[in-house]
Amino acid sequence: NAGVTQTPKFQVLKTGQSMTLQCAQDMNHEYMSWYRQDPGMGLRLIHYSVGAGITDQGEVPNGYNVSRSTTEDFPLRLLSAAPSQTSVYFCASRPRRAAFQETQYFGPGTRLLVL
Amino acid sequence: SQQGEEDPQALSIQEGENATMNCSYKTSINNLQWYRQNSGRGLVHLILIRSNEREKHSGRLRVTLDTSKKSSSLLITASRAADTASYFCATDAGTYKYIFGTGTRLKVLA
Repeated sequence: NAGVTQTPKFQVLKTGQSMTLQCAQDMNHEYMSWYRQDPGMGLRLIHYSVGAGITDQGEVPNGYNVSRSTTEDFPLRLLSAAPSQTSVYFCASRPRRAAFQETQYFGPGTRLLVL
Repeated sequence: SQQGEEDPQALSIQEGENATMNCSYKTSINNLQWYRQNSGRGLVHLILIRSNEREKHSGRLRVTLDTSKKSSSLLITASRAADTASYFCATDAGTYKYIFGTGTRLKVLA
């Protein structure tokens, strides 16, 4: 299994540009999520999904859109990039059955710089 | 902000010593998890402790949880240079919204 994969690894955008950060997992996990990590802030939840066709907002959703058309993929869209969105973005997944399997598996991250 | 807090923010110890880091959180939880992050990499799950547990061990890791104080601690015994990383706690209130702490940067000197 490849686990959780993210592309691209690094991206530079100009203010106002749009882009999509890709996330895919091959573990058949129902739950997927996106976080951003800023220096000294830890990880903050942007959006999450508990299954195909179901998404919800996290702590910092403004400026980001998500969709979940398949179990495997959970792309994050920046519609109009702003310098405040410069950050490292992590995707994570886990099985939905939460009773004894709450471990999240993280991707390697995407570093985004917005000029 | 809903973020939990960890202390210390940074910790530097000699190889072989024990490292203790603490996490405080704000709401009732189902479980609390600890993760390690090596520089520039994704997070790796270390250990999970449920709200009805008080202590848990995994290899050189020992985690305690005090729900009355809304706090947890992670102890790494006999530290090694390879333990150098940032350590984060994350709480799960059963709402699918994980709340991460701000992290402790651990440096183990050889």
